[in-house]
Amino acid sequence: QKEVEQDPGPLSVPEGAIVSLNCTYSNSAFQYFMWYRQYSRKGPELLMYTYSSGNKEDGRFTAQVDKSSKYISLFIRDSQPSDSATYLCAMRGLTGGGNKLTFGTGTQLKVEL
Amino acid sequence: NAGVMQNPRHLVRRRGQEARLRCSPMKGHSHVYWYRQLPEEGLKFMVYLQKENIIDESGMPKERFSAEFPKEGPSILRIQQVVRGDSAAYFCASSPDTSNQPQHFGDGTRLSIL
Repeated sequence: QKEVEQDPGPLSVPEGAIVSLNCTYSNSAFQYFMWYRQYSRKGPELLMYTYSSGNKEDGRFTAQVDKSSKYISLFIRDSQPSDSATYLCAMRGLTGGGNKLTFGTGTQLKVEL
Repeated sequence: NAGVMQNPRHLVRRRGQEARLRCSPMKGHSHVYWYRQLPEEGLKFMVYLQKENIIDESGMPKERFSAEFPKEGPSILRIQQVVRGDSAAYFCASSPDTSNQPQHFGDGTRLSIL
């Protein structure tokens, strides 16, 4: 079993839709949770960075962490064609437990006109 | 450009040759991480370095792979005697320190082995 599970998609939605992306994980030591966006042939771009459980909002993006369920989500409101990319969840433990990130395999999103 | 800089962007090598991948971290960042991305797979951690020190190399193959981050100059990921299975995208990330700071990634080096 992988430490981090993420549905690879592809996920296709119409412009303006609300998108929900999710990851589950098995390692209870994970404390920091991130969402990255990756366009084709480019590097991952940090979207959201959260610590422990709770919600965080930034513009059209909302990240949710439920540590009791080992489940994290990213919501994209008013989705745009420019949001079409692969979305990667990533997580790590506390400092001292290692700074290495453990990634999901990514969900490919396509927002259609 | 204040971002993480990786070069070359594309590298082609024949089996048995050496590959050298370079990474310059963001200004003010002293921690460098290398990840490998294979087709249809997520990014996998390889090695974490600070200036002149390897902190965690648990994800790096024991043979043929090495990494350094000298006092001056970029971090180097070196792959000796490359094989077809080394074909992948190699990404470098950097962060300013070990506490509460996210990692920022470069655009990667795509290594192709003929």
